[in-house]
Amino acid sequence: AQSVTQLDSHVSVSEGTPVLLRCNYSSSYSPSLFWYVQHPNKGLQLLLKYTSAATLVKGINGFEAEFKKSETSFHLTKPSAHMSDAAEYFCVVSVLKAAGNKLTFGGGTRVLVKP
Amino acid sequence: DSGVTQTPKHLITATGQRVTLRCSPRSGDLSVYWYQQSLDQGLQFLIQYYNGEERAKGNILERFSAQQFPDLHSELNLSSLELGDSALYFCASSVAAQGVGYTFGSGTRLTVV
Repeated sequence: AQSVTQLDSHVSVSEGTPVLLRCNYSSSYSPSLFWYVQHPNKGLQLLLKYTSAATLVKGINGFEAEFKKSETSFHLTKPSAHMSDAAEYFCVVSVLKAAGNKLTFGGGTRVLVKP
Repeated sequence: DSGVTQTPKHLITATGQRVTLRCSPRSGDLSVYWYQQSLDQGLQFLIQYYNGEERAKGNILERFSAQQFPDLHSELNLSSLELGDSALYFCASSVAAQGVGYTFGSGTRLTVV
C-alpha cells in the first residue's frame, strides 16, 4: 500500500520569500512522485515529477523538489514566492503495477502569499 | 487547455437521481482515469480504463459505474445520488496503461440537493 502525508495544511509566506512545502510518502515499491497545483476553480496542473532519475527535480514556474529515499521525503521549494503561487498544492505518489496505475494524493497544502 | 475535455462543467441535481459525466482524453492517450475530490475525503482514485478495458479500481461505490467507448471517450455514471456525492469529479488521461505522466481535465462540479 502507498500513502502520502503533507505535513502542513496551510502555509503563509510573503511575496519574494522562499516557499517550502513538506511531503512524506510511504510505498512498498519504488515510487514515482509528483507535485500538482490547483488554482481556485481550476483543474490540476503538473508542477514536476520524480521517476527514479535525478533526485533533484526541476519543475515549472521556478519550483523544484528533492527526493530523499532515506527520509522518505519529497519536499517542494521555490526560492522566491510570487502572488500567482497562491493555490493548493498536492504531493502525489504513484506505483505502477502490471494491471494498471493509480495516484495517491496527499491532503493538500494551501499556500497564501502576502504582498 | 490541457487537451482533456470534461462535460458538463457544472451539474446540479436532486437526491435519488442519476447523472452521467463525460470525458474525452487528450489526443493519442489510451488510458482514462476518474478521480473524486470532496472536502472530507480529499482526492480519491475511482477507476482506470485502458483502451476500453477496466484496468484498476479504487474507492468506487457500487452506485457508480464507468465505461470507455471505442472512440476512447469515457463516461462515469452516478446513480441513486446522495448529498455526500457532491464533489468535483476529475478525469485524467495518459498514453499507456502504466502512464507516469497524467493530464487532468478541469473537472465537473456535481452538486446534489
